[in-house]
Amino acid sequence: DVKVTQSSRYLVKRTGEKVFLECVQDMDHENMFWYRQDPGLGLRLIYFSYDVKMKEKGDIPEGYSVSREKKERFSLILESASTNQTSMYLCASIPSSGSGMNEQFFGPGTRLTVL
Amino acid sequence: GNSVTQMEGPVTLSEEAFLTINCTYTATGYPSLFWYVQYPGEGLQLLLKATKADDKGSNKGFEATYRKETTSFHLEKGSVQVSDSAVYFCALTQSYNFNKFYFGSGTKLNVKP
Repeated sequence: DVKVTQSSRYLVKRTGEKVFLECVQDMDHENMFWYRQDPGLGLRLIYFSYDVKMKEKGDIPEGYSVSREKKERFSLILESASTNQTSMYLCASIPSSGSGMNEQFFGPGTRLTVL
Repeated sequence: GNSVTQMEGPVTLSEEAFLTINCTYTATGYPSLFWYVQYPGEGLQLLLKATKADDKGSNKGFEATYRKETTSFHLEKGSVQVSDSAVYFCALTQSYNFNKFYFGSGTKLNVKP
């Protein structure tokens, strides 16, 4: 059974803290993604990675960075958390052999609250 | 550009009612279309997909037909159950950039017993 896992389901942090969200997939997928989900806004892409150490900015990268040191692991980093980063964060992956037919596989999400 | 528009929710239905959730899209060429479902407290999972015009995707009693002439991919189910209560997302991707998914804003469905 394919799986994308995220390190925490719920996280509470304080303003200014450095926050790490971890995502691991066991499907040997080349491409991994970080989204944030907010009511009424759907999913917005923060960053994605198409290979180890490779990354590209998505639609809302400000205030975030990412790290991909191993193929199966993709980390999202909030350098200095702010209250407007309180959100649900979703990780996803997809193989690079896609032709527009492949689905993205999602993790269960991390609900982050920044106080 | 590419975009997806979904009907706003929440949609509240009684069990065994007929469900339609509207989805229209703007895209060049021939995108692939998807419906994802998010059950409470979980991530998104694929419900169904269609990759070319007139294709019908189906799963768990849900259906959606890729209509290029109306640029639509409406989700339907003949008889909903309480367990179908969830948030439904319509999405598209293009074969020239399958890394980019365009999601609608989501429609919450509440089914009452």
